[in-house]
Amino acid sequence: GEDVEQSLFLSVREGDSSVINCTYTDSSSTYLYWYKQEPGAGLQLLTYIFSNMDMKQDQRLTVLLNKKDKHLSLRIADTQTGDSAIYFCAERLSTGTASKLTFGTGTRLQVTL
Amino acid sequence: GAVVSQHPSRVICKSGTSVKIECRSLDFQATTMFWYRQFPKKSLMLMATSNEGSKATYEQGVEKDKFLINHASLTLSTLTVTSAHPEDSSFYICSARQRTGGTDTQYFGPGTRLTVL
Repeated sequence: GEDVEQSLFLSVREGDSSVINCTYTDSSSTYLYWYKQEPGAGLQLLTYIFSNMDMKQDQRLTVLLNKKDKHLSLRIADTQTGDSAIYFCAERLSTGTASKLTFGTGTRLQVTL
Repeated sequence: GAVVSQHPSRVICKSGTSVKIECRSLDFQATTMFWYRQFPKKSLMLMATSNEGSKATYEQGVEKDKFLINHASLTLSTLTVTSAHPEDSSFYICSARQRTGGTDTQYFGPGTRLTVL
């Protein structure tokens, strides 16, 4: 199957860490991605991880992948009000011209003062 | 990252008319582009995969005669919503795939909000 699930909403205080979780069902995914969408805008690629990696860190962002449990998470350190947005995880199921992304349901992150 | 543009950003049209949306990759060539539709507070639904120089591949349930896709060059794909109806009102987002060093990355346009009256 190609179901990708996320919790709908997360609220954190400015300066705290945010952890956004994602679960997927297809074990043949090759790459997993995190995208950010601000209101009325398209998607901005934040980071991605290859399926044979466990962790990737990029400045304030840390991606953890547990392939056994089919669980992906995005940690945002020192969350700022500008991080308020909807975050989508996505998986790519194969490589080559036939590959396509399957998106999660999206998590709305609200950052409060 | 790479830049993908869409035009127009917003369009309002009457029922029965056709609307064309353009998607351009500005600083790279994209042999493959994708068209998505997003309903309010929902995820992205892939409509079709657009391949340069060949016919688009439509997802199940998407009418190819209603949503015409043309990928005429390596930097331009167009989506034409024909005979639009109010239920076609939505946020349409295109994406272009860049392939570098064996890695595929999809970059998204800013989206086009279509309102059909």
